[in-house]
Amino acid sequence: GQQLNQSPQSMFIQEGEDVSMNCTSSSIFNTWLWYKQDPGEGPVLLIALYKAGELTSNGRLTAQFGITRKDSFLNISASIPSDVGIYFCAGQLSQGGSEKLVFGKGMKLTVNP
Amino acid sequence: GAVVSQHPSRVICKSGTSVKIECRSLDFQATTMFWYRQFPKQSLMLMATSNEGSKATYEQGVEKDKFLINHASLTLSTLTVTSAHPEDSSFYICSASSGGEGNEQFFGPGTRLTVL
Repeated sequence: GQQLNQSPQSMFIQEGEDVSMNCTSSSIFNTWLWYKQDPGEGPVLLIALYKAGELTSNGRLTAQFGITRKDSFLNISASIPSDVGIYFCAGQLSQGGSEKLVFGKGMKLTVNP
Repeated sequence: GAVVSQHPSRVICKSGTSVKIECRSLDFQATTMFWYRQFPKQSLMLMATSNEGSKATYEQGVEKDKFLINHASLTLSTLTVTSAHPEDSSFYICSASSGGEGNEQFFGPGTRLTVL
């Protein structure tokens, strides 16, 4: 199936540091979403972006919807140990009544206290 | 926020048996439910989309006769893995949406299937 290109695949950072990750696609999307998944659980929505160029913040998280509609990035500032997990981007085209999501491969974040 | 549950959370079965996984939207009506499969250290891959009262739409490469999906009510969808084999062992996750373009999908906690 189709997947997005998400990078980096993993990061090891110290508590308090900032971290950035991004996703790119060869296809345009109407919506970009960022999820966090803890081991053995389902993904939880962090931020949703609906307009090209949109910059949205949610606490220490900031995400942007690329102007070309083919990319998005997520920043986490001042990381804390509970930020550990796997972060996925997802694109949604919302075309013809379909709401299918296409997921990136994920980025595993490790935060050292 | 909207809550989606899955049952069971874990299941171990013998090869050749069938396993049913339930996905329920607890506080909203889900006109559309999605079933994903996630292998270890990999991403979520959409298996099928089901709309209440109609047949599921399967993604390319997903066998509809092996993965039976029923969405008989606005709060319940089931995935039955028929004649399970060890290669079907995976983490199965459902999501539910109240429908319409752009509506958020709410994810369940997942079901870990192990086929011996």
